[in-house]
Parts: sequence; structure tokens; C-alpha cells
Amino acid sequence: GAVVSQHPSRVICKSGTSVKIECRSLDFQATTMFWYRQFPKQSLMLMATSNEGSKATYEQGVEKDKFLINHASLTLSTLTVTSAHPEDSSFYICSASRATDTQYFGPGTRLTVL
Amino acid sequence: TQLLEQSPQFLSIQEGENLTVYCNSSSVFSSLQWYRQEPGEGPVLLVTVVTGGEVKKLKRLTFQFGDARKDSSLHITAAQPGDTGLYLCAGAAGGTSYGKLTFGQGTILTVHP
Repeated sequence: GAVVSQHPSRVICKSGTSVKIECRSLDFQATTMFWYRQFPKQSLMLMATSNEGSKATYEQGVEKDKFLINHASLTLSTLTVTSAHPEDSSFYICSASRATDTQYFGPGTRLTVL
Repeated sequence: TQLLEQSPQFLSIQEGENLTVYCNSSSVFSSLQWYRQEPGEGPVLLVTVVTGGEVKKLKRLTFQFGDARKDSSLHITAAQPGDTGLYLCAGAAGGTSYGKLTFGQGTILTVHP
């Protein structure tokens, strides 16, 4: 149990376009979902925390108007990178938890902005 | 702000050797997780430790949570090339932190055949 999926796994887009990444908990209801960004050979950097039906809480330095997070249900959260630029290219990972401290991670999405 | 210092950052060893990765903090955590991540994939949970002094074993991996719940270690016995990857420790503060994790910097382990 505790499987989290992400879609797409890879996306290439042109500068100025928007990209949506989906995160789903497949076999459990996630009370909270988290979005991370990871640079090569580095640890995870938390971007935001989202609870179903409420606004996401963004970490300091993360632009909420650029990284739109929607948590429409207990099994789905989406991250939209708006007006993407090359510096937004990164590995984005979501995780989900079910009222405990343990987080279950998705496989990640590699975003490349040309 | 809670910090979790993970060391070493890089570890390159030969197959069959033993190794230990450490995570230390001045803060108390309600629980601590260890994850392993391979390139291009998401982190996979190895273990969660909750009780001070707790020791958990997963085949050749031994995880320990400090008595004061401020530090943890991961010991691998007779490392194999399949153990290669990025190891991450992450501590949960509990309370009203809504399950947020504080991650260590990660340890890149390379096991040479």
C-alpha cells in the first residue's frame, strides 16, 4: 500500500508556457500532500504543503503566483508552473501522508524549459 | 528553524565494506524517516523510527534513533553495488507542523564491485 503516482514523468515546454503536474495517492486518502523541488545530487527542497479543500502553505521564497497548487480531493493534488522559464527546469516530486509523519513519495517529474 | 546535519555527504566504498551514515540535530523530532533514492526516481521509504533508543533492522541495514530523539544513524553491513544511491534522513517535528519533514543534505553512496 501507500503508492503515489505523478504525471507526467517528463515534460519539455517552451519558455512562457504553463505546465501542470498531477500527484495522486492511488490506494489511500492523503490528508496532506507536499511538493518538493530537487536539484541534481542534492536533497529535497520543500516548496509547499497542501491540505484538501484549503489553500496551500508556501515556504519562504517560493512564489505562490508562479507555482499554483490545487488540492481538489483527498487523492489528487496538482502543481502548475505558470509562465515557465529555463530556471524553473528541475525535478519536481510530490509526497502524500495520511495523518502521520511518514510521507510517501511519487516518482517525480522532470521539467525542462527551453 | 530545525536543521538536520547529515554526514558524510559522499561515500565511495568497495563491495563488502561496512558503512555508517549519521544525522544529527539540536532539535527533538517526534519521528525520523530514512529514504533511499535512485537517479530520476522518487525517494523510497526504508524505515520510520519513533521511540528514543529504537533500533530497527532491514536485512543488512540497521537504523538507530538516539535516546534523546535528536540524532539517528544508518549502518550498512557488507555493502553491495545495489546499495548505491542517495540516502536521505528526514525528521518530523510533530505537533502543529502538519507532517512537514526536515531533510538532511543527503549522502551519495557508491559501492564499487
